[in-house]
Amino acid sequence: SQTIHQWPATLVQPVGSPLSLECTVEGTSNPNLYWYRQAAGRGLQLLFYSVGIGQISSEVPQNLSASRPQDRQFILSSKKLLLSDSGFYLCAGIKGRSMNTEAFFGQGTRLTVV
Amino acid sequence: RKEVEQDPGPFNVPEGATVAFNCTYSNSASQSFFWYRQDCRKEPKLLMSVYSSGNEDGRFTAQLNRASQYISLLIRDSKLSDSATYLCVASNFGNEKLTFGTGTRLTIIP
Repeated sequence: SQTIHQWPATLVQPVGSPLSLECTVEGTSNPNLYWYRQAAGRGLQLLFYSVGIGQISSEVPQNLSASRPQDRQFILSSKKLLLSDSGFYLCAGIKGRSMNTEAFFGQGTRLTVV
Repeated sequence: RKEVEQDPGPFNVPEGATVAFNCTYSNSASQSFFWYRQDCRKEPKLLMSVYSSGNEDGRFTAQLNRASQYISLLIRDSKLSDSATYLCVASNFGNEKLTFGTGTRLTIIP
């Protein structure tokens, strides 16, 4: 079965510090991959998605960036964190282009910027 | 306008009651729809896919209305364990973009 390993589970970072969150996929190849952020009490905001190596689509302009250096690796980065970057970050994937294909999720990273 | 919109709630309903959520989507090209359930501080879990003909899974029924661009979720005989946030999801052709609604918070009261 398809799984996503996402780490770390919890992270506390000072304002202005860099960020690197990584997720890796097991059990499938060539998935579509997504980074979401969820603020407290809110829904999932799509940040980036990728349909293949080196292909990144950005949904919201901000100080975050994403990269997909390998088929099963998706990285979320920032050069300088802001307080507003705090939230719950989720990596997700979908295998296949057909209808009603279920997404699979990592367990999330809770980021607190202080 | 958000691509996928839901009433954030909260919905507080007594145990055993029937509760219904609606979700509207703005992209008429959306091809697939889902309901996910999210418990506090956890990743979302798939509750059910939503088919054009409507589908049922135990106490849960999902419907899709393409003409009006909304999907619905009905929960019958609600249980305390149904308390969670319910997220509506739409994907475009090829599943390139997976868009979540803001979620509806449901609390079942004993």
